[in-house]
Amino acid sequence: GIQVEQSPPDLILQEGANSTLRCNFSDSVNNLQWFHQNPWGQLINLFYIPSGTKQNGRLSATTVATERYSLLYISSSQTTDSGVYFCAVPTSGTYKYIFGTGTRLKVLA
Amino acid sequence: DTAVSQTPKYLVTQMGNDKSIKCEQNLGHDTMYWYKQDSKKFLKIMFSYNNKELIINETVPNRFSPKSPDKAHLNLHINSLELGDSAVYFCASSPPGQINYGYTFGSGTRLTVV
Repeated sequence: GIQVEQSPPDLILQEGANSTLRCNFSDSVNNLQWFHQNPWGQLINLFYIPSGTKQNGRLSATTVATERYSLLYISSSQTTDSGVYFCAVPTSGTYKYIFGTGTRLKVLA
Repeated sequence: DTAVSQTPKYLVTQMGNDKSIKCEQNLGHDTMYWYKQDSKKFLKIMFSYNNKELIINETVPNRFSPKSPDKAHLNLHINSLELGDSAVYFCASSPPGQINYGYTFGSGTRLTVV
């Protein structure tokens, strides 16, 4: 089955810093999602981005499907950005999304 | 209004008991899912229903049984609970064809088996 790897596994930032999170996947995909799990456990859909670039405030994401990766950019990080960031891709032709192992982000005040 | 709601939020029970977790979505989505998140935060799909029809049934013990009475509800019943079932269980839904918006998750149910 498709493999999804995220890097780095852990990241500590000072408030105001920028960061890039990476998601690599082993097979062709036609969809990709990024999620943020906050410290209270809630999973929030950040982006649905099968290809190209999207921006939402301080966050943006880029997916290059032909090269099998996606990047999540966080600019001017805030303590509320802390949590775990997951990417997820579907197994070909199904609704079944496979989640990456996540990047644990901690933003220090 | 909560889009995907799960009950209960916390569930502590003894080994061997049977318990249910309920999920309801008011988004008009056709597809619903159950995911399990273990202590290392790894998320794995368990089941999915599309318009009350089971479409994904991963390799989980048959002690776990999903039920979808209608497309807005997906419940998870667990028989003979074991210590290893302790985890956070998330319900999610997605619109037809997965276009545009992807998944919406519920807030999770933290199950602790003692």
